Amino acid sequence: EPEVTQTPSHQVTQMGQEVILRCVPISNHLYFYWYRQILGQKVEFLVSFYNNEISEKSEIFDDQFSVERPDGSNFTLKIRSTKLEDSAMYFCASSGGTAVKRYTFGSGTRLTVV
Amino acid sequence: QKEVEQNSGPLSVPEGAIASLNCTYSDRGSQSFFWYRQYSGKSPELIMSIYSNGDKEDGRFTAQLNKASQYVSLLIRDSQPSDSATYLCAVPLGRGSTLGRLYFGRGTQLTVWP
Repeated sequence: EPEVTQTPSHQVTQMGQEVILRCVPISNHLYFYWYRQILGQKVEFLVSFYNNEISEKSEIFDDQFSVERPDGSNFTLKIRSTKLEDSAMYFCASSGGTAVKRYTFGSGTRLTVV
Repeated sequence: QKEVEQNSGPLSVPEGAIASLNCTYSDRGSQSFFWYRQYSGKSPELIMSIYSNGDKEDGRFTAQLNKASQYVSLLIRDSQPSDSATYLCAVPLGRGSTLGRLYFGRGTQLTVWP
């Protein structure tokens, strides 16, 4: 079964450093998402991406965050200057259809900011 | 305020029993509803989707939807220890939620003891 692949699985970074989280969505999917989950809390939407642009973003997705699809396969989330409160699991997801259809989530990247 | 609420649990049932998980949502116009299972440290995995009022059965899982009451539930029959996980209710809220933004509840932690 097709998978969404995320790398790295775990990243430790110092506060103030830039991090890039990488995702390879399912190849024929058109809609891409980032979510995060702080330990013990809800899964929270960050951003959706379609047709090479952001289609929706949450209040969490401030100027420190950016997304990019640099080629036909990768989808990245960049955090420019990490804060302690950015420590969380970050999940990439992709979907093949319009509106809310069957998401496929990646296995996640655990980001630890120290 | 867009909200998805779940009975917080934790819920503990013996093997073979029925586990009942509940979820309410704030937007009367929501059209699709999802139940995800999340093992500790892992990504959410879709187990059920429901779009119409009534019951939808898939193996040991039954989703129940009542749009008038803004209520969706998940029943797990013949619970197994492998069902022990956190169950997340997810709903796209708001008319503008095209292109896939999901709102998640906090989840209900289920433990099935042998």
